[in-house]
Amino acid sequence: AQSVTQLGSHVSVSEGALVLLRCNYSSSVPPYLFWYVQYPNQGLQLLLKYTSAATLVKGINGFEAEFKKSETSFHLTKPSAHMSDAAEYFCAVSDTGRGSARQLTFGSGTQLTVLP
Amino acid sequence: ETGVTQTPRHLVMGMTNKKSLKCEQHLGHNAMYWYKQSAKKPLELMFVYNFKEQTENNSVPSRFSPECPNSSHLFLHLHTLQPEDSALYLCASSQGQGVVGYTFGSGTRLTVV
Repeated sequence: AQSVTQLGSHVSVSEGALVLLRCNYSSSVPPYLFWYVQYPNQGLQLLLKYTSAATLVKGINGFEAEFKKSETSFHLTKPSAHMSDAAEYFCAVSDTGRGSARQLTFGSGTQLTVLP
Repeated sequence: ETGVTQTPRHLVMGMTNKKSLKCEQHLGHNAMYWYKQSAKKPLELMFVYNFKEQTENNSVPSRFSPECPNSSHLFLHLHTLQPEDSALYLCASSQGQGVVGYTFGSGTRLTVV
């Protein structure tokens, strides 16, 4: 069984500062990992995904994440925060699939606040 | 517009009412999912359908009844709900054999009074 832990349910950064959202995973098989963003009263939107190719993954809106097997981590970063980045962010891990519907296990989310 | 459409966006219902949530996708995906998102709680997977067949029921109370008539449509029938069932209900779809992740709808905000 796989699981995801997001450290810090709330993170605040100043506009223009580095964004770092932490995610650690547990999986008995090589994982597929995802970051999603959710704006108020909206569904989840895929930011980026790791699927065992390059360990540094670039996504939309200037975000990127690095898969570190030795640390079982997949932290999300952005060099310079923008006010529009304020949202809730979810890390998720997927089983590698055996022909049935792939299932994602989500972390509990991190609310990002960007201060002017 | 993500390709997954949920209706209605908002629903207020009494505990004795019967209502249905609808989800539709035209992405050619074969798997569809219902999730419940409550305040201050992680996303809870409720049901999974793959090629119209239910493959997962995460101990969901029987007052929630899913229906998947084809790979493009998914319903969640609601009856005799409780106030604690108030939440954002999210539908998602995926291509089950691939690794593209899920595509989510915008959700239905349900309030049970």
